[in-house]
Amino acid sequence: DAGVIQSPRHEVTEMGQEVTLRCKPISGHNSLFWYRQTMMRGLELLIYFNNNVPIDDSGMPEDRFSAKMPNASFSTLKIQPSEPRDSAVYFCASSTTQLGIGSDGYTFGSGTRLTVV
Amino acid sequence: AQSVTQLGSHVSVSEGALVLLRCNYSSSVPPYLFWYVQYPNQGLQLLLKYTTGATLVKGINGFEAEFKKSETSFHLTKPSAHMSDAAEYFCAVSGANNLFFGTGTRLTVIP
Repeated sequence: DAGVIQSPRHEVTEMGQEVTLRCKPISGHNSLFWYRQTMMRGLELLIYFNNNVPIDDSGMPEDRFSAKMPNASFSTLKIQPSEPRDSAVYFCASSTTQLGIGSDGYTFGSGTRLTVV
Repeated sequence: AQSVTQLGSHVSVSEGALVLLRCNYSSSVPPYLFWYVQYPNQGLQLLLKYTTGATLVKGINGFEAEFKKSETSFHLTKPSAHMSDAAEYFCAVSGANNLFFGTGTRLTVIP
């Protein structure tokens, strides 16, 4: 398996623009998580899905953020409009269980480094 | 509520020296505990985990951790540091539906 695939790896956009981050989880993993990592706040859980259904989006910072998982092999995280404070590395992770107690735990993608100028 | 405290945001050790990264947790239920490692420009990778059974858990790359319920700790150790161990290490504890990660400890290995 190619692992969790995220695109793009880097994104630079102007304030006010729409940004869409993409994630392809590992086949057979039915839990998917979106995290944001910054120096100031560390690793924050934004939202997670179980069997394509959003379970908890309480970590989504504002209404400008939205996430979808239309099928088991694809998820998107959208920011509209983007702001400089959204600059961070966004990770997608997938797992066979919500708690990651399977043999591989959570499998993380390589992340998308977002810079909003 | 679940939470994790990692003591020391930066730890430096000499090559060949003992590595000790500290993690204390808070959980209202018997926890599952994890250590993840992040190398530069990469995502997190599972290093080891404790779910049930033996409290001393061995992971990849010679790391191990011991679950001590009385101390609510899950410290990560490695007898002899290698240059390739330089990375950021995250402790995590299970919540009801997902994991809560600590703020991370950056390990520097001095040649």
